[in-house]
Amino acid sequence: GNSVTQMEGPVTLSEEAFLTINCTYTATGYPSLFWYVQYPGEGLQLLLKATKADDKGSNKGFEATYRKETTSFHLEKGSVQVSDSAVYFCALSLSSSNTGKLIFGQGTTLQVKP
Amino acid sequence: NAGVTQTPKFQVLKTGQSMTLQCAQDMNHEYMSWYRQDPGMGLRLIHYSVGAGITDQGEVPNGYNVSRSTTEDFPLRLLSAAPSQTSVYFCASSYSIISNTGELFFGEGSRLTVL
Repeated sequence: GNSVTQMEGPVTLSEEAFLTINCTYTATGYPSLFWYVQYPGEGLQLLLKATKADDKGSNKGFEATYRKETTSFHLEKGSVQVSDSAVYFCALSLSSSNTGKLIFGQGTTLQVKP
Repeated sequence: NAGVTQTPKFQVLKTGQSMTLQCAQDMNHEYMSWYRQDPGMGLRLIHYSVGAGITDQGEVPNGYNVSRSTTEDFPLRLLSAAPSQTSVYFCASSYSIISNTGELFFGEGSRLTVL
């Protein structure tokens, strides 16, 4: 079946450190891939996306590249800030699906300390 | 611009009680959905709707009912609450069901505890 697997957290970093959150997927067909972020006490919001292989999504200093050969979509940021502390969700959707359904990973909590 | 509004934000129920979680969006979105969020399990789709008068089941529909009488509203009903339904519930909407747009707009969540 279709699924998304993320690295377990929490991930704890010092401010200005480099961030990588791993995400791998299993899917039939050709999925689109997404990263959503959930700040404390809020709902999820779209951070970035990539709709085909080798695409790079980017936003707010975060980047992720759609790697079909390794079925991965790892999230990176060169220098994290305290304000980046949140839960990050990797997700996929299938263009062949008519449900509009997103399949989410379990989420990775990031804590950035000053 | 209110976006997606959920009420209540917090609720405590006893086993067997019923309640309705309300969700409203003011963006004229066709697609609306309900997810539940549980520790270590990410978000799981409960029910969804692709337009007024049309609803369908998601991954974990048992114990929940929905209806979509208007474009704006998509309430989630728990008919007889069980402790296994203790969770955080999110309503989300989107312009359409075109899956590769991927951008769901989420409400702030409703935290439900069933004793």
